[in-house]
Amino acid sequence: DVVLTQTPSILSATIGQSVSISCRSSQSLLDSDGNTYLYWFLQRPGQSPQRLIYLVSNLGSGVPNRFSGSGSGTDFTLKISGVEAEDLGVYYCMQATHAPLTFGSGTKLEIK
Amino acid sequence: QVQLKESGPGLVQPSQTLSLTCTVSGLSLTSNSVSWIRQPPGKGLEWMGVIWSNGGTDYNSAIKSRLSISRDTSKSQVFLKMNSLQTEDTAMYFCAKLGVVFDYWGQGVMVTVSS
Repeated sequence: DVVLTQTPSILSATIGQSVSISCRSSQSLLDSDGNTYLYWFLQRPGQSPQRLIYLVSNLGSGVPNRFSGSGSGTDFTLKISGVEAEDLGVYYCMQATHAPLTFGSGTKLEIK
Repeated sequence: QVQLKESGPGLVQPSQTLSLTCTVSGLSLTSNSVSWIRQPPGKGLEWMGVIWSNGGTDYNSAIKSRLSISRDTSKSQVFLKMNSLQTEDTAMYFCAKLGVVFDYWGQGVMVTVSS
């Protein structure tokens, strides 16, 4: 199974600060169809996960443009340009290139 | 408006079988896949398996021997059955439509395995 390693596991930020989360895969996530099926989710406390980014860098519907995704192959990054209070929660990367679908272990964003 | 809603018992005894239902609205099961994902308390997300639009299934190899996913398209329902439950199966169980561009999640149902 593909292992997704997220760092850091905990991130403490002030309002307005820009932060990045890394997701490294044990295998390339580039599919034979040319797509890279790497996604980012935010799970706010007590809620279901909400998708932020699809196919590495595409912003989900209704997701603020302070969120951005980048990367290729095995290394991916989620950036939040100007953290807001509503961004607190746990961020997960997920890959769907290789079966079974797997999630990263999560990065908890705390607001200072 | 797409909605998924999980239902099932909140408490299951060890060694028993868990049966959960995901009721889907706003999506056709013959055109869309539905996955089951679980999350133990305070821990991360684990994909359990999927039923594809053609009715085929794929499962996480770690639990494949205990898991079965099926559906009733006439009722827009997807079912999860997992046998030989242990305390480590205590988790929030979600059903979700994980499309390439769009995804939809249920609110989840908490299942506790305890005698």
